[in-house]
Amino acid sequence: GAGVSQSPSNKVTEKGKDVELRCDPISGHTALYWYRQSLGQGLEFLIYFQGNSAPDKSGLPSDRFSAERTGGSVSTLTIQRTQQEDSAVYLCASSLAYGLAEYTQYFGPGTRLTVL
Amino acid sequence: DQQVKQNSPSLSVQEGRISILNCDYTNSMFDYFLWYKKYPAEGPTFLISISSIKDKNEDGRFTVFLNKSAKHLSLHIVPSQPGDSAVYFCAATGGATNKLIFGTGTLLAVQP
Repeated sequence: GAGVSQSPSNKVTEKGKDVELRCDPISGHTALYWYRQSLGQGLEFLIYFQGNSAPDKSGLPSDRFSAERTGGSVSTLTIQRTQQEDSAVYLCASSLAYGLAEYTQYFGPGTRLTVL
Repeated sequence: DQQVKQNSPSLSVQEGRISILNCDYTNSMFDYFLWYKKYPAEGPTFLISISSIKDKNEDGRFTVFLNKSAKHLSLHIVPSQPGDSAVYFCAATGGATNKLIFGTGTLLAVQP
């Protein structure tokens, strides 16, 4: 079946502009996660959704970052007034459910964001 | 502070030999550990996992060992193949959340 998809694959924007990144999880997966990988860094947790609610937003680096999920499916990560330090690969993952660590997270290909 | 550490940024191994990738963690609340493999321009792919109630898990050529007292885990690949060349990330989770905490990765190069 189809895996996690993300769009766009690449995004170049100017400092101060807003960007929206999209994630389509695997059909039937109720849990959805956003991570980012900055240059030379490991993957950093941003936010997770269980259904349409986001119980854990602890990884969002500032109030310029927000995310929503509608219909228990598609999620959008929005970055307002982008800064150069926001440049990174943004990865989305989904899992069958949340609460049991055994529910493996499956990742999409990522969106490479470059802020000039 | 880095809760999951992969101290070797890179590793080079000959085809057919064993690859050993290491990972250390500091948070005693972690109770589930995973290894992901990542090729350039692709998302991480799940490889193998281990629960803290076990000390070994094997899947084909891949074996993960967990030493809880040392807060150390390792991934063994035997025999190594050129197609195994990728970045390997160690990840951990536990406590009230199953968000993954990742290490910085080890680039494995398997030489033909």
